Amino acid sequence: LAKTTQPISMDSYEGQEVNITCSHNNIATNDYITWYQQFPSQGPRFIIQGYKTKVTNEVASLFIPADRKSSTLSLPRVSLSDTAVYYCLVGATDYGQNFVFGPGTRLSVLP
Amino acid sequence: KAGVTQTPRYLIKTRGQQVTLSCSPISGHRSVSWYQQTPGQGLQFLFEYFSETQRNKGNFPGRFSGRQFSNSRSEMNVSTLELGDSALYLCASSPMGQGAMANEKLFFGSGTQLSVL
Repeated sequence: LAKTTQPISMDSYEGQEVNITCSHNNIATNDYITWYQQFPSQGPRFIIQGYKTKVTNEVASLFIPADRKSSTLSLPRVSLSDTAVYYCLVGATDYGQNFVFGPGTRLSVLP
Repeated sequence: KAGVTQTPRYLIKTRGQQVTLSCSPISGHRSVSWYQQTPGQGLQFLFEYFSETQRNKGNFPGRFSGRQFSNSRSEMNVSTLELGDSALYLCASSPMGQGAMANEKLFFGSGTQLSVL
């Protein structure tokens, strides 16, 4: 599983756009990049997944540069309810590898 | 379609006891994986099952075990509980049977909060 690095925490205000960057220098050719959101005492929830360039859905956008060594999750106009931990996960295609979510980014949205 | 269901939601046990947690995946999902989440260690993979077979296992002692039934429902068991086993235990299912190991989207339950006293 490709190791990922994200900021431990970020603060933002309601209505702002938030960008969370994840580094994954040893991403493999077949790996996709997936982001999850987790609220306290709940399981992570899938947000978005991409392979290259840009992916957009109803809640977020994912930007992936050509070298794929990093990715940026973009949350438009955040609200208080977006306060959560965001995990970047890079999939492995080799069975047998241990699988660990990184510490994630704790986003705090302030009024 | 109903989501992933984990029971019980909360559990309190004492050291030395054993515990069994249950997970019902989304209908049609064949892969079930289990995770332990603690404030200090984050979210760590325990094991993954597909078609009643354990396909992958994380770095946990043998006290942690699991199984999957023919209807894809899964259970995990922890024997001889230790204080450090206090954690949120999460179960996830995936539709295609390849799990997170192959970029597949995971659907998580709300977890079982286990407290060991």
